[in-house]
Amino acid sequence: AQKVTQAQTEISVVEKEDVTLDCVYETRDTTYYLFWYKQPPSGELVFLIRRNSFDEQNEISGRYSWNFQKSTSSFNFTITASQVVDSAVYFCALNPGPGNQFYFGTGTSLTVIP
Amino acid sequence: DAGVTQSPTHLIKTRGQHVTLRCSPISGHKSVSWYQQVLGQGPQFIFQYYEKEERGRGNFPDRFSARQFPNYSSELNVNALLLGDSALYLCASSSGTAYTGELFFGEGSRLTVL
Repeated sequence: AQKVTQAQTEISVVEKEDVTLDCVYETRDTTYYLFWYKQPPSGELVFLIRRNSFDEQNEISGRYSWNFQKSTSSFNFTITASQVVDSAVYFCALNPGPGNQFYFGTGTSLTVIP
Repeated sequence: DAGVTQSPTHLIKTRGQHVTLRCSPISGHKSVSWYQQVLGQGPQFIFQYYEKEERGRGNFPDRFSARQFPNYSSELNVNALLLGDSALYLCASSSGTAYTGELFFGEGSRLTVL
């Protein structure tokens, strides 16, 4: 079975605080891709990062960083020095392939308070 | 370049009616996928089409159908609407069927069934 769990439903932080969004996934496939998407109020899902199952290197992109650990089936996302513009719903997703059937978590709603 | 465009953006229907949602992918993209996002949940995969052929189908009843046209645009049809069909319907395009690429999402069509 394929499953993505985002246990944090809502998070509120004060601007400039760091925040980590948790993601735990389940799959029996050995080859798969993990994603993070951001959904602002407009509804459009904005791609943030893709990571394949063979690449466990952490990645940093500006204020964003991702920690992929296969041993714990986790793919956590950290925003450093959060800003009001970071307020959105964030989704973690799994694609075991082939094709474009993504399995999304239930999302974490992040509110950054000025 | 235009992103994924969907129409209509909002619509209201009553139970038992039929609805058609439309999607134009990013120029050059040949694959279109449809997702249903119920309020407070993550998107759920409905269909994937590539080169006018169905390449994947999620766990949705036969009331849901779709097709892809020669210009790669797509329609999602839902018959005999139920209250539970109220959701944001997201269309996503990608350059191919392989899951190595990212999905580019439109802003969705928000359907309300009364």
